[in-house]
Amino acid sequence: EVHLVESGGGLIKPGGSLRLSCAASGFTFSNAWMSWVRQAPGKGLEWVGRINSKLDGGTTDYAAPVKGRVTISRDDSKNTLYLQMNSLKTEDTAVYYCTREVYSYGAGWFDPWGQGTLAIVSS
Amino acid sequence: SYELTQPPSVSVSPRQTASITCSGDKLGNKYASWYQQKPGQSPVLVIYQDTKRPSGIPERFSASNSGNTATLTISGTQAMDEADYYCQAWDSSTVVFGGGTKLTVL
Repeated sequence: EVHLVESGGGLIKPGGSLRLSCAASGFTFSNAWMSWVRQAPGKGLEWVGRINSKLDGGTTDYAAPVKGRVTISRDDSKNTLYLQMNSLKTEDTAVYYCTREVYSYGAGWFDPWGQGTLAIVSS
Repeated sequence: SYELTQPPSVSVSPRQTASITCSGDKLGNKYASWYQQKPGQSPVLVIYQDTKRPSGIPERFSASNSGNTATLTISGTQAMDEADYYCQAWDSSTVVFGGGTKLTVL
């Protein structure tokens, strides 16, 4: 069974940094494109960014609102995805989901999703 | 930047058909996906590549995408279908989600 488990959330002060992890199992992680999606309390889904497989270049793409503050990386030897976010703002408060992005014919969709980890940015 | 627009809420009576729309410029030229999210739970993929259902998703879920509008249709809506629904598409290698629609089964 495909499984994604996020960790690393918590309470962070504005201006601080956040590092989230996502442990994957049940599929060949090294071949997978992986994304982070966040959801502010009571709000909708917002894509944060992705990293594609090393086979496809291992490149990253980021959403405009977080570009320059976010780095997504992966350790295929540990089947783990990471999200590093710096210069945190209160509006970064959200549940952060790790999800596998299935890419085909010029488009991608997300399946499955982890349970999410809550990051609260507050003084 | 590309935007997807959904109605904030849709109501439906049990066993009736619910339709949730998602609008975006030339959306029909892109692939649309749909996600269901129940309170306190993670999103679940219900439709991908405009019309395809993942295994385990009931047949009552169907969808279409043409012109500027993608539509998710739930036939014979059940109480368990009450949830938030989000559409999603790609735009120039980035991902866009609609704002979400709260489906209420009255």
